Amino acid sequence: KAGVTQTPRYLIKTRGQQVTLSCSPISGHRSVSWYQQTPGQGLQFLFEYFSETQRNKGNFPGRFSGRQFSNSRSEMNVSTLELGDSALYLCASSLLTGGSGYTFGSGTRLTVV
Amino acid sequence: GQNIDQPTEMTATEGAIVQINCTYQTSGFNGLFWYQQHAGEAPTFLSYNVLDGLEEKGRFSSFLSRSKGYSYLLLKELQMKDSASYLCAVRDENAGNMLTFGGGTRLMVKP
Repeated sequence: KAGVTQTPRYLIKTRGQQVTLSCSPISGHRSVSWYQQTPGQGLQFLFEYFSETQRNKGNFPGRFSGRQFSNSRSEMNVSTLELGDSALYLCASSLLTGGSGYTFGSGTRLTVV
Repeated sequence: GQNIDQPTEMTATEGAIVQINCTYQTSGFNGLFWYQQHAGEAPTFLSYNVLDGLEEKGRFSSFLSRSKGYSYLLLKELQMKDSASYLCAVRDENAGNMLTFGGGTRLMVKP
């Protein structure tokens, strides 16, 4: 079966712009979680969506938002980009909420210049 | 909140055994996961412990002691392809059962 698909793989944006990242989970998975990965901070939890509802949210500013559609695909949006937002953004899907059996996508590498 | 600590880097020799430790503090422990991540790739699931003891899966084993807030990942018969980052993650039922990751341990396997 197809894995977790994240698009785009690479992205370069300018400070102040906004960006939308997409994640298509494994078929049948209803939970999608987003993480930011940087060399200094490791994997930091952004938010989790389950059946179109945000279930959990990490400690990120309001510039970071997300949503989930009825087909379980999820998007995350970052507005007013800052240099510090440069990171690998990983999406993980699972059947149930709560981190069970996470399958990660290959991520979107965002560079803010 | 949660605090998860693991060594930043380790080096080992091909064919040897290496143990990667992880300590954690959490209010509602509900499972510990180990993931492997090769550079530029997605993390992949290695193991899951929720009860004390050792879980063995081929060359990889993972141990958990809940009373000590301690886990380790044991890699035997190291191969060059085992060079990767190893991520320890804890699930906390008091935090919506979400996973919190440690900073990861970068393992370099040398010939």
